[in-house]
Amino acid sequence: EDQVTQSPEALRLQEGESSSLNCSYTVSGLRGLFWYRQDPGKGPEFLFTLYSAGEEKEKERLKATLTKKESFLHITAPKPEDSATYLCAVQAKNAGNNRKLIWGLGTSLAVNP
Amino acid sequence: DTGVSQDPRHKITKRGQNVTFRCDPISEHNRLYWYRQTLGQGPEFLTYFQNEAQLEKSRLLSDRFSAERPKGSFSTLEIQRTEQGDSAMYLCASSSGGTSGLIYEQYFGPGTRLTVT
Repeated sequence: EDQVTQSPEALRLQEGESSSLNCSYTVSGLRGLFWYRQDPGKGPEFLFTLYSAGEEKEKERLKATLTKKESFLHITAPKPEDSATYLCAVQAKNAGNNRKLIWGLGTSLAVNP
Repeated sequence: DTGVSQDPRHKITKRGQNVTFRCDPISEHNRLYWYRQTLGQGPEFLTYFQNEAQLEKSRLLSDRFSAERPKGSFSTLEIQRTEQGDSAMYLCASSSGGTSGLIYEQYFGPGTRLTVT
């Protein structure tokens, strides 16, 4: 069964304290992996798409990396405005799942000033 | 471009009533998705349109749920005979895309929060 697992469930950081969020996936062939940010009461906001192992993408303080089994979202010197839930989603090659994303439960990040 | 819009933003209804939600996607996007999300969970896929064609519908979705996208523009999601378990945030997203099946970045609306009493 295709599955996406995110860890930790929640993370509290001090401003400036860098860390990483993990998204591990078990799918029958990966077509793409997505990272989204979601603020309370709002829809998810797209951050990155990664398609192949070894690929990396950066945006401001965020950097996403991909291996054959997992993806990391690295947050460098976070600020309070980075506080949000970070969601990972995967598109699998499995015929039953290839038109939709399989979502993780998210990591809730709180950055204290 | 004003992004994806959804209406209403909040809906309170009594159990057994029917409700309908509307989604207006980004105008040049040909793909439209509906999701349901409850607290502490990731979005749960409900259905997917490419232009006006409904190409995928979750097997977990009961017959009480139906969606349309006439003329490939806005979309509506109707829930008949609502139940308390239907209480959730209903999210709409749109994206561009061709016939390869590859999923591209989706742009989400603000959601419609449904409360069934």
